[in-house]
Amino acid sequence: DQQVKQNSPSLSVQEGRISILNCDYTNSMFDYFLWYKKYPAEGPTFLISISSIKDKNEDGRFTVFLNKSAKHLSLHIVPSQPGDSAVYFCAASAGSGNTGKLIFGQGTTLQVKP
Amino acid sequence: DARVTQTPRHKVTEMGQEVTMRCQPILGHNTVFWYRQTMMQGLELLAYFRNRAPLDDSGMPKDRFSAEMPDATLATLKIQPSEPRDSAVYFCASGGYGLETQYFGPGTRLLVL
Repeated sequence: DQQVKQNSPSLSVQEGRISILNCDYTNSMFDYFLWYKKYPAEGPTFLISISSIKDKNEDGRFTVFLNKSAKHLSLHIVPSQPGDSAVYFCAASAGSGNTGKLIFGQGTTLQVKP
Repeated sequence: DARVTQTPRHKVTEMGQEVTMRCQPILGHNTVFWYRQTMMQGLELLAYFRNRAPLDDSGMPKDRFSAEMPDATLATLKIQPSEPRDSAVYFCASGGYGLETQYFGPGTRLLVL
C-alpha cells in the first residue's frame, strides 16, 4: 500500500515558466513533509520541508504548499531553470520527525527545456 | 566535506550469490538508513539504526536480507541468496537530529542475473 503517491512520473516545462510537482498521501498521522531532489548517479538531496502546522513554506525559487484536508502537497519552482532537471521525491513522516523514518513517493522526473 | 560513502558503486552478480553492500555514515550522525530504489516503488525504506541499534527493519525481506552496524563507522546490508528481483539501487543515508539532516550516499547499483 503506497502511503505517499506521486502520480505523474514525468513533467516537462519551458525554462522560465513555473514547474508544479504534486504529491498525495493517505496516512493522516503524517505531520512533516519533505521534498528531495535527485540527479543521475547521485543520492537524493534535501530541498525543502513543511510542518503540518503550516500551509506554505518558501525558500528562494522553491515553495511547498500543504493542503491537509485534501492530503495533498505540491512543490512550485519559479522560475524553472535547466539545472532543475532532476527526479523529485516527496517524503512524509509521522511523530513530528522524532523517529527519523521517512516514507517516500515514487518520484517525478522534471525536465526543464532551454 | 562530510559525506556518506557507499561501496561498491556497482555490482553485477549471479542469482544465488551473496551480496554485501557497505556504508560509511557521516561522522557524528547517530542514525543510519537503508533504502532501495525501484521504478515501481520509488524509494523504499528497508531498515534503520539509531546509535547502532536496529529500530525498524519491517521493510526488509527477512529470509534473505540482513543489516548490521558492527561499529559507528560501518553499516552493512547483505543479501543471501540474491535473486533477480533484488536488482535495484540501494542507498544508505545517515542523519543526526532532525529530518532535514538525512544525507544520502551515492548508492550501490545492483544487478542480479
